[in-house]
Amino acid sequence: NFMLTQPHSVSESPGKTVTISCTRSSGSIASNYVQWYQQRPGSSPTTVIYEDNQRPSGVPDRFSGSIDSSSNSASLTISGLKTEDEADYYCQSYDSSNQVFGGGTKLTVL
Amino acid sequence: QLQLQESGPGLVKPSETLSLTCTVSGGSISSSSYYWGWIRQPPGKGLEYIGSIYYSGSTYYNPSLKSRVTISVDTSKNQFSLKLSSVTAADTAVYYCARQDGAIVGAGRRYWGQGTLVTVSS
Repeated sequence: NFMLTQPHSVSESPGKTVTISCTRSSGSIASNYVQWYQQRPGSSPTTVIYEDNQRPSGVPDRFSGSIDSSSNSASLTISGLKTEDEADYYCQSYDSSNQVFGGGTKLTVL
Repeated sequence: QLQLQESGPGLVKPSETLSLTCTVSGGSISSSSYYWGWIRQPPGKGLEYIGSIYYSGSTYYNPSLKSRVTISVDTSKNQFSLKLSSVTAADTAVYYCARQDGAIVGAGRRYWGQGTLVTVSS
């Protein structure tokens, strides 16, 4: 099985850009799609990126996803940060036997 | 508009079986290309995948839970269910039901229910 490793926390100021990484421990990050979920305090997760870089309708284009095979990692980038973006963010991927979530990254917008 | 609602006991005794149901509205559980699944989140911790069921009835389980998990579908009620046997305090969590759209299990946009807290305690 594999693991997805995320930074525990990141912080940035309103209006700036932040990138959250998600590194796959084994197997190619490019072989299986990556999803990203936002979870605000006290709420259910919602999908902000699916299939590496697809944005669901209703999610602002300030959110983008990418894959970097050289570092075997995926990234979620949020530009023009707003206080409402403050939340926990989880990456998720899969292989032939299981689905795996990253440990989550707490984004603080201050 | 798709809605998923979890229901079931909020308190389960150790060694017993946890049973939850997810009622789907705003869409048919029999529709193709959807995976219906369960994810849990222990208090203050991250997300853990439990398993999924395809509209055809095929099931996929987290290997670490597989021996204790059963997911099934009741198309007549537009519901799917989770059973987790031999529970311990480590199974205390918020349990979410979800639909994942896509051709591959584990990929695609995921719609989540509001979640239900299940506590395992005597």
